[in-house]
Amino acid sequence: GDSVTQMEGPVTLSEEAFLTINCTYTATGYPSLFWYVQYPGEGLQLLLKATKADDKGSNKGFEATYRKETTSFHLEKGSVQVSDSAVYFCALTPTQGGSEKLVFGKGTKLTVNP
Amino acid sequence: GAGVSQTPSNKVTEKGKYVELRCDPISGHTALYWYRQSLGQGPEFLIYFQGTGAADDSGLPNDRFFAVRPEGSVSTLKIQRTERGDSAVYLCASSLTVGNTEAFFGQGTRLTVV
Repeated sequence: GDSVTQMEGPVTLSEEAFLTINCTYTATGYPSLFWYVQYPGEGLQLLLKATKADDKGSNKGFEATYRKETTSFHLEKGSVQVSDSAVYFCALTPTQGGSEKLVFGKGTKLTVNP
Repeated sequence: GAGVSQTPSNKVTEKGKYVELRCDPISGHTALYWYRQSLGQGPEFLIYFQGTGAADDSGLPNDRFFAVRPEGSVSTLKIQRTERGDSAVYLCASSLTVGNTEAFFGQGTRLTVV
């Protein structure tokens, strides 16, 4: 079945450091890919998404590019802030654009120190 | 309300008891989803509704789990004869429709079976 594998955490960085969180997926067909973020004490929020190969999703300085050839959707940010401390989840849905039946990775906890 | 509301936020129950978890979606959202998140794992899909009907319940682990959405708004997840392995955070999400629309998550109900 469809699955998502993301790098294990926790990840600890200093403010203004470069961030990469790796995510690879296994899916049949043409999935849509997502990054969700969970800030302390809050619900999951959509951070960015891409619905087809070579699309780049971006939001709040974060970016991820849908790479079909490597089945990857790595999350990057050039300069992290303390406020980016959260748990990040990579996810997919089996269909283009759909929100139903999200398949999540295990999550990566990011801590950014001042 | 402004967001997806789940009640209670915490529930402790004894093994073998019956529990109900409630989800109030964002007003006007026709699609509603339930996920379960065990410690250290990403959310796992349980069921989703389009309107009043369960469009896909393939994620429900067994027949002790059941969910309803009788008027197409509020949904209740029901668990019979609870077991310690049911302990998890149960997440609800809603979206305007099923399809190319964002799913908004509630903060979840933490269920502990003792």
